[in-house]
Amino acid sequence: AQSVTQLGSHVSVSEGALVLLRCNYSSSVPPYLFWYVQYPNQGLQLLLKYTSAATLVKGINGFEAEFKKSETSFHLTKPSAHMSDAAEYFCAVSPSGYKLSFGAGTTVTVRA
Amino acid sequence: DAGVIQSPRHEVTEMGQEVTLRCKPISGHNSLFWYRQTMMRGLELLIYFNNNVPIDDSGMPEDRFSAKMPNASFSTLKIQPSEPRDSAVYFCASSLGEGGETQYFGPGTRLLVL
Repeated sequence: AQSVTQLGSHVSVSEGALVLLRCNYSSSVPPYLFWYVQYPNQGLQLLLKYTSAATLVKGINGFEAEFKKSETSFHLTKPSAHMSDAAEYFCAVSPSGYKLSFGAGTTVTVRA
Repeated sequence: DAGVIQSPRHEVTEMGQEVTLRCKPISGHNSLFWYRQTMMRGLELLIYFNNNVPIDDSGMPEDRFSAKMPNASFSTLKIQPSEPRDSAVYFCASSLGEGGETQYFGPGTRLLVL
């Protein structure tokens, strides 16, 4: 079974600082990997998706993630946090087919 | 293009009552998913439809839960009878295809069973 581990349930950053959210997965084959963002009282919105075309994936709102097979990681970064980045972020893995396994989520707060 | 539409957005009901949640997927999408989100269990897949046919219902908690997709543009998730432990946010998502395709989520229905 696939599993996703997000290190840190809560991350607090200053506005303008680097945002780093960690995600590790277990998979015996290269999977599809996703980062979703959930703003309060809203559904999940896709930030970016890895499909093996390139290890560095750029997403919306200035986010990017790097796939590292040797580390089974897919960490999400943004060089400079903005107040609007305050939300909950979910890493998800799909080895193949339709099933998505989600991590527990990381809540990001941004300090002015 | 409209996204995934869910109704109602909020539902408060009493234990034992029937609850019906509704979903309209994105036009042209052939896969539909129902998820439940709780603090304790996170996001769980309840059921997956492909081309209106239920493919995987292994996540449906028990017989009190049922889901239908009578056509490509409409799906329902029904809980009968409802219990307080069913309180959660229920999301519908749709995608085009099933091989690692992006799932697009609706805004969710926040259910509270008293």
